[in-house]
Amino acid sequence: EVQLVESGGGLVQPGRSLRLSCAASGFSFDDYAMHWVRQAPGKGLEWVSGITWNSGSIDYADSVKGRFTISRDNAKNSLYLQMNSLRAEDMALYYCAKERYSYDSSGNRAGIYFDYWGQGTLVTVSS
Amino acid sequence: DIQMTQSPSSLSASVGDRVNITCRASQSISSYLNWYQQKPGKAPKLLIYAASSLQSGVPSRFSGSGSGTDFTLTISSLQPEDFATYYCQQSYSAPLYSFGQGTKLEI
Repeated sequence: EVQLVESGGGLVQPGRSLRLSCAASGFSFDDYAMHWVRQAPGKGLEWVSGITWNSGSIDYADSVKGRFTISRDNAKNSLYLQMNSLRAEDMALYYCAKERYSYDSSGNRAGIYFDYWGQGTLVTVSS
Repeated sequence: DIQMTQSPSSLSASVGDRVNITCRASQSISSYLNWYQQKPGKAPKLLIYAASSLQSGVPSRFSGSGSGTDFTLTISSLQPEDFATYYCQQSYSAPLYSFGQGTKLEI
């Protein structure tokens, strides 16, 4: 059974840092790209960051670029999000999600989707 | 950036109804469109990927259609457990995998 378990959330003052973790099990972690998606209270979903299986390609939403760093440790089956210079607008429930490719009828890769999600860890930014 | 717009933002329906939720992309995204269901206090759950492929384990009353800029999630006969918020997501403009704003389906 695939499981993704986030941790590391909490209350932090604006401008401070926090590191989130996501422990994965039930699948070959080092075969898949992984992502962080967040959801502000009462709001919709926002993709935050993604990392390929070998950390060879890393991407960020503009809203967090330069402040957040995604990383992974395949030996520990773990995904991380280092969040620096936190702002009030970063307050949200942070989910980690596993990526899968989709394919068209010709067998060509045709996009990705998030097939498993963790339960989320809440980050509260307040003085 | 590709903007995803869902309509309606909220919808009231009854058990047994047929429901359509629409998602429109600001530019063509081929079939690179996914649908998720989220219940209160829970993580999103994948329903449909690549516009019309049903995720394993998802009931067949859920279906997806469309390509280009216009997409539809259809629930053929609403069940009590289907009342939730639904999100579309595009994966055409990698890596900026934007979501729609959500459609809340209420009784």
